[in-house]
Amino acid sequence: ETGVTQTPRHLVMGMTNKKSLKCEQHLGHNAMYWYKQSAKKPLELMFVYSLEERVENNSVPSRFSPECPNSSHLFLHLHTLQPEDSALYLCASSQDAGGWAKNIQYFGAGTRLSVL
Amino acid sequence: AQSVTQPDIHITVSEGASLELRCNYSYGATPYLFWYVQSPGQGLQLLLKYFSGDTLVQGIKGFEAEFKRSQSSFNLRKPSVHWSDAAEYFCAVGPGGSNYKLTFGKGTLLTVNP
Repeated sequence: ETGVTQTPRHLVMGMTNKKSLKCEQHLGHNAMYWYKQSAKKPLELMFVYSLEERVENNSVPSRFSPECPNSSHLFLHLHTLQPEDSALYLCASSQDAGGWAKNIQYFGAGTRLSVL
Repeated sequence: AQSVTQPDIHITVSEGASLELRCNYSYGATPYLFWYVQSPGQGLQLLLKYFSGDTLVQGIKGFEAEFKRSQSSFNLRKPSVHWSDAAEYFCAVGPGGSNYKLTFGKGTLLTVNP
């Protein structure tokens, strides 16, 4: 148990559906991250929020829309996805988004997304 | 730009044998280095990290790693592997300072034979 909880654990959706992934951290951290993990590829950083402000959008298509209503919660809203978006989506949090002593990232278990 | 290479995609060892997983990085200054482990169906768990100081760092679960600047390496070791160590292992590098961006390797899958 890392203190970062992701729901749902598994999600199957059609290309025309709209769904959301949820991440909650119980660590009192100020920074939260979304990563995409595809088979045989390194983890790809998608978005970073620091104190509820987006500080990174790593050239992610607009069909992925993040939301950070407070420092404990992070959402990833999905719409009109493509089959190549099927992957494991990981959420992480760290005490801060800068300064390495505070930037050890703690990961959730991920949401396995399948787009049909 | 920073990069990480994990040359071994898949390693198989027998339980009780020693283990070394290789990690080479490319970065112009002193990097910040991490090893994470991912068990099936789970997220990534931090095993150990190197920021500065002693180049041999100890982590959880009996793992250690050694930073060798001359070889641009940060290899992970364990003297005696347990069946529960079967997982995928990721090396990551960060540029330090106020930059939070980690670059991950593609991972090494470890299989442990009884």
